[in-house]
Amino acid sequence: EDKVVQSPLSLVVHEGDTVTLNCSYEVTNFRSLLWYKQEKKAPTFLFMLTSSGIEKKSGRLSSILDKKELFSILNITATQTGDSAIYLCADTLQGSQGNLIFGKGTKLSVKP
Amino acid sequence: GAVVSQHPSRVICKSGTSVKIECRSLDFQATTMFWYRQFPKQSLMLMATSNEGSKATYEQGVEKDKFLINHASLTLSTLTVTSAHPEDSSFYICSASRQGTNYGYTFGSGTRLTVV
Repeated sequence: EDKVVQSPLSLVVHEGDTVTLNCSYEVTNFRSLLWYKQEKKAPTFLFMLTSSGIEKKSGRLSSILDKKELFSILNITATQTGDSAIYLCADTLQGSQGNLIFGKGTKLSVKP
Repeated sequence: GAVVSQHPSRVICKSGTSVKIECRSLDFQATTMFWYRQFPKQSLMLMATSNEGSKATYEQGVEKDKFLINHASLTLSTLTVTSAHPEDSSFYICSASRQGTNYGYTFGSGTRLTVV
């Protein structure tokens, strides 16, 4: 059974801290891995990763994929209270029409 | 680019009535759209895959007669929750993929359904 596992499930940090969120997966016919940020409504797209070892960056956020070890990490440096959200990791599969297999998410709380 | 509009954002209905949720891709054509359901403190669960001009593909355990999906055009998919019951109360989200971009899969803003 295809699955995506995120850890930790929840995390509380203080502003300015750096956090690393983990996503491991066991899927057949892997195509890509995506990270989303979900606040009160629908998820917003962060990154799409398809190749191992290539870091993608957007401001204080960065992510990298390891297709050999079947995991990805999402880093957030100098965290701010606005980073508080649930971060979702999802896989897409070859030939699946593109539906996503989601992990349970990591709830990040950044305290002032 | 790659905007998906979902409407309504919030709906409260009486038990036994039906509710229609619309999902539109505003600036691209989406031959395939996906409908997800999210219970409190849980992740998104795929309900069905909506294909333009053909029948939707439902995930195991999802009642196709209860959750009617129509994808009549390349920019519009609808989900109708028929004879809604309180246990159908949930957050429903659609998504679509714009081919050939790095946008990934764009989500609608979601619909919070409460059945009383």
